[in-house]
Amino acid sequence: SYVLIQPPSVSVAPGTTARITCGGNNIGSKSVHWYQQKPGQAPVLVIYYDHDRPSGIPERFSGSNSGNTATLTITRVEAGDEADYYCQVWDSASDHYVFGFGTRVTVL
Amino acid sequence: EVQLVESGGGLVQTGGSLRLSCAASGFTFSSYAMSWVRQAPGKGLEWVSVISDSASITYHADSVKGRFTISRDNSKNTLYLQLNSLRDDDTAVYYCAKGRYRSPSGGFDYWGQGTLVTVSS
Repeated sequence: SYVLIQPPSVSVAPGTTARITCGGNNIGSKSVHWYQQKPGQAPVLVIYYDHDRPSGIPERFSGSNSGNTATLTITRVEAGDEADYYCQVWDSASDHYVFGFGTRVTVL
Repeated sequence: EVQLVESGGGLVQTGGSLRLSCAASGFTFSSYAMSWVRQAPGKGLEWVSVISDSASITYHADSVKGRFTISRDNSKNTLYLQLNSLRDDDTAVYYCAKGRYRSPSGGFDYWGQGTLVTVSS
């Protein structure tokens, strides 16, 4: 089955840039979606189809996908960005959705 | 405004059954795929099941295949998940999520607040 690998945690200072990676075999050939989940809340879609932002999501959130790694980038990080972030793909080989293990972003 | 409201969670014995419901409003329910996603306490997100707009296509995660069944009633704007032969490791918050398209792919643009299922002997 398809596996997505994320670093367990990323720590960044306010105002700097956070980069969260999502590794998978030839993930560049798939469409990657990213979700933000704050404690006690439901997940929120922040990036879809590798790099598109839903309405209401700040331009500080961006995504890229190539080769074996997809990346969610958060520029000018704010305290309110502290959350768990999950990548997701549709694996057409198994007809399953797959989530990454999640990355906790801590704002120092 | 899109709203997804789950119900039906609760405490159930190991080996028991439960049916979860998700009432949808604020969009044309019959035009979108829908999914269930669960999250065990302190753990990450796990996709459970997906159903296409017309219910002609359903897929389930290997961990629940043969035990859980996803269905929908487009006349009632409601999504269901039948949980049978429940195990302790099925304990989780179960989220209902709206797909972005008719077919089962494309990610989820709206989520409900979740309903807690606790399985215990």
